Amino acid sequence: AQKVTQAQTEISVVEKEDVTLDCVYETRDTTYYLFWYKQPPSGELVFLIRRNSFDEQNEISGRYSWNFQKSTSSFNFTITASQVVDSAVYFCALSGGLYSNSGYALNFGKGTSLLVTP
Amino acid sequence: DGGITQSPKYLFRKEGQNVTLSCEQNLNHDAMYWYRQDPGQGLRLIYYSQIVNDFQKGDIAEGYSVSREKKESFPLTVTSAQKNPTAFYLCASSKGTIGNQPQHFGDGTRLSIL
Repeated sequence: AQKVTQAQTEISVVEKEDVTLDCVYETRDTTYYLFWYKQPPSGELVFLIRRNSFDEQNEISGRYSWNFQKSTSSFNFTITASQVVDSAVYFCALSGGLYSNSGYALNFGKGTSLLVTP
Repeated sequence: DGGITQSPKYLFRKEGQNVTLSCEQNLNHDAMYWYRQDPGQGLRLIYYSQIVNDFQKGDIAEGYSVSREKKESFPLTVTSAQKNPTAFYLCASSKGTIGNQPQHFGDGTRLSIL
């Protein structure tokens, strides 16, 4: 079975602080895909990044960066110099493969609610 | 603009009533999905479809039904058998049926019991 764990339920930071959201996953597949989505208060899910299991290169996009480590089955997300607009729920998700019983649908973690205060 | 349209935004269900949530996409995506989100929870898969006229049960399909008669449409019916339907429902689609394609989501439908 596949599983995604986001141990941090809620995080509160003051604007301009850096914050890291943790994601740990479990899968038997050798090829899999990891995603991060943002859910602002309005409710829609916004795609942030996709990472293939065979590409462990870290990625930076503006204030966002992602650290993928297969050795620890983690795919952590860091926001540098956080802003109030970053306040949202962030979901880590794993796409199934051969050992998934749901085709290639996403297996989501329970999300981390980030609150950035001025 | 291409995207996914879910309607209605809010829906109320009476006891014993079936209700249908609409999901339409104009992205020409092959795969479509329905997820349920409860407060403080992640999204759980209800049904998915990888091709027209074919769909598969997800993790929590009991009390729900779907159809996929057209590529762009994937309606979800919440039947009276679903005893706890109050939740936020999200529809998604992806270009292919391989797991590396990101899913694009609609704005969701909030369903409540009257």
